[in-house]
Amino acid sequence: DAKTTQPNSMESNEEEPVHLPCNHSTISGTDYIHWYRQLPSQGPEYVIHGLTSNVNNRMASLAIAEDRKSSTLILHRATLRDAAVYYCILRHLQGGSEKLVFGKGTKLTVNP
Amino acid sequence: DVKVTQSSRYLVKRTGEKVFLECVQDMDHENMFWYRQDPGLGLRLIYFSYDVKMKEKGDIPEGYSVSREKKERFSLILESASTNQTSMYLCASGLQGRWEKLFFGSGTQLSVL
Repeated sequence: DAKTTQPNSMESNEEEPVHLPCNHSTISGTDYIHWYRQLPSQGPEYVIHGLTSNVNNRMASLAIAEDRKSSTLILHRATLRDAAVYYCILRHLQGGSEKLVFGKGTKLTVNP
Repeated sequence: DVKVTQSSRYLVKRTGEKVFLECVQDMDHENMFWYRQDPGLGLRLIYFSYDVKMKEKGDIPEGYSVSREKKERFSLILESASTNQTSMYLCASGLQGRWEKLFFGSGTQLSVL
């Protein structure tokens, strides 16, 4: 299975940018990179995804390395509501079926 | 908004009981998934289904089975619950396609005593 590696935890201050890294050195050419986050006592929610090019949406930006072996989720101005566990995931085909395998994620703490 | 509804938020069962966890989605999604989440282990895939009556094993299917008789409903079955199945169970659904996002339910915290 394609795997991702993330730091266990990161800390940020409110209203500062946050860069959450993810390594996925075994990524294959057709794998999509997804990011989800999980707020306390809730199920994960979608944040952003991409294939090769950098992506922006209202929640965040995704920067993908040229060799696609790493990516970075960027929160432009962290708020207290962004405190969550962030998961970087590869969505790929295995045995003809799609799978989305979660790693352990990065717990983001946002300080006021 | 897409809604993924899990039948119970909290459930307490006894060892050896048969347990049914139900998940319903309202957006005509082909794919449905069951995960369990344990402290320090993240989310682990138990089973998934890409069509009615179709199922595929995930990474930890032992001790579980699933049923998908209708497109909107995906059930997780613990044939004989054991204490090591105490966990948070999360259901998700989504359209087919690796570029498609998943929508998660709020989870069911199952305690097996």
